[in-house]
Amino acid sequence: QVQLQESGPGLVKPSETLSLTCTVSGYSITTYYWSWVRQPPGKGLEWIGYIYYTGSTTYNPSLKSRTTISVDTSENQFSLKLRSVTAADTAVYYCARLSQTGTQDSWGRGTLVTVSS
Amino acid sequence: SYDLTQPPSVSVSPGQTASITCSGDKLGDKNVCWYQQEPGQSPVLVIFQDNKRPSGIPERFSASNSGNTATLTISGTQATDEADYYCQAWDSRIVVFGGGTKLTVL
Repeated sequence: QVQLQESGPGLVKPSETLSLTCTVSGYSITTYYWSWVRQPPGKGLEWIGYIYYTGSTTYNPSLKSRTTISVDTSENQFSLKLRSVTAADTAVYYCARLSQTGTQDSWGRGTLVTVSS
Repeated sequence: SYDLTQPPSVSVSPGQTASITCSGDKLGDKNVCWYQQEPGQSPVLVIFQDNKRPSGIPERFSASNSGNTATLTISGTQATDEADYYCQAWDSRIVVFGGGTKLTVL
């Protein structure tokens, strides 16, 4: 059974870079796509982007200029970097497994990242 | 950009049928999923590829997708179904979420 776990700092200063890692267990990262989704407090879900194990990425156009997603197949992990953050980037960040038909069938528990000085 | 519209809230009495809609241009041509999210929890997939239920999801959850509207239907709604529900479309390999609907079981 696949499990995903997000990790990274819970507090990031404005203008700095948010960095998170998702560790996948129980399933090889070399199949499926792997996705990041965020949810600001009290608001809806926003898709950030996804990656294939080959390194091929697709990003939400609204976040593309600030986002980099990478993969480490040796560690069965994938990572998110979001640059030049502001308070509007404060959210719970989720990682998820994404199928070729667009189904996100397994999700991590999420991690709250607060942007504040 | 592609937009999906959901009603902010839907109310239903226990045992009745709840319907949550999701509207988007030519949505019927795209794969649609539905997620249930309880407070403080991660989203859970309840419907994929328009109308398929993952294992472990009760049969009272069903869905359809045609034209410009996808609909999630919960038959015999239970108090435990009270949650936020999000539709999601797969549009040219881009993930798009609806704004979410809060289902209240009165």
